[in-house]
Amino acid sequence: AQTVTQSQPEMSVQEAETVTLSCTYDTSENNYYLFWYKQPPSRQMILVIRQEAYKQQNATENRFSVNFQKAAKSFSLKISDSQLGDTAMYFCASDSNNLFFGTGTRLTVIP
Amino acid sequence: DGGITQSPKYLFRKEGQNVTLSCEQNLNHDAMYWYRQDPGQGLRLIYYSQIVNDFQKGDIAEGYSVSREKKESFPLTVTSAQKNPTAFYLCASSIGPFGGELFFGEGSRLTVL
Repeated sequence: AQTVTQSQPEMSVQEAETVTLSCTYDTSENNYYLFWYKQPPSRQMILVIRQEAYKQQNATENRFSVNFQKAAKSFSLKISDSQLGDTAMYFCASDSNNLFFGTGTRLTVIP
Repeated sequence: DGGITQSPKYLFRKEGQNVTLSCEQNLNHDAMYWYRQDPGQGLRLIYYSQIVNDFQKGDIAEGYSVSREKKESFPLTVTSAQKNPTAFYLCASSIGPFGGELFFGEGSRLTVL
């Protein structure tokens, strides 16, 4: 069975600091994709970053980067230089022909 | 602008009534999805459709029904058989069914009185 676990229900970070959100997943497939989605208070969910499992290089998108550890089935999200607009729920997701979401981490950026 | 439009944003329903949530996309995406979001449970898949006139049950399809008569539209009906329908419902679409980015609507909040 495919599962995605986010063990940090809530986190906070000072503006301009760095924060890491954890995610572990379980799948028996060799070919899959991993995602981080952001849901700000306005509620429209948007993609933050996407990682293809067969690529060893960690994906980066500006201030957002991942630490993809395939053997450990870990996919953490690092947000550098945190901004107030980063305040949101963050969902980790795994797609190996079916997309499964974790339960989310609520991140608050403190001015 | 291209995107996904969900309506209504807020909906109140009496017990025993069916209600239909609308989802329209102009992204020319083949795949469309309905998710239910409850506090502390993340997103759970209700139904998905990979092509017009075809759809599949997700993890929590009981008490829900869908149709996909047009590529742009994927309405969700919450029937009276759904025992706990109060929730936030999200519609999404993607170019294909595997590995692609999902584009989400703004959601519909259903409250059963």
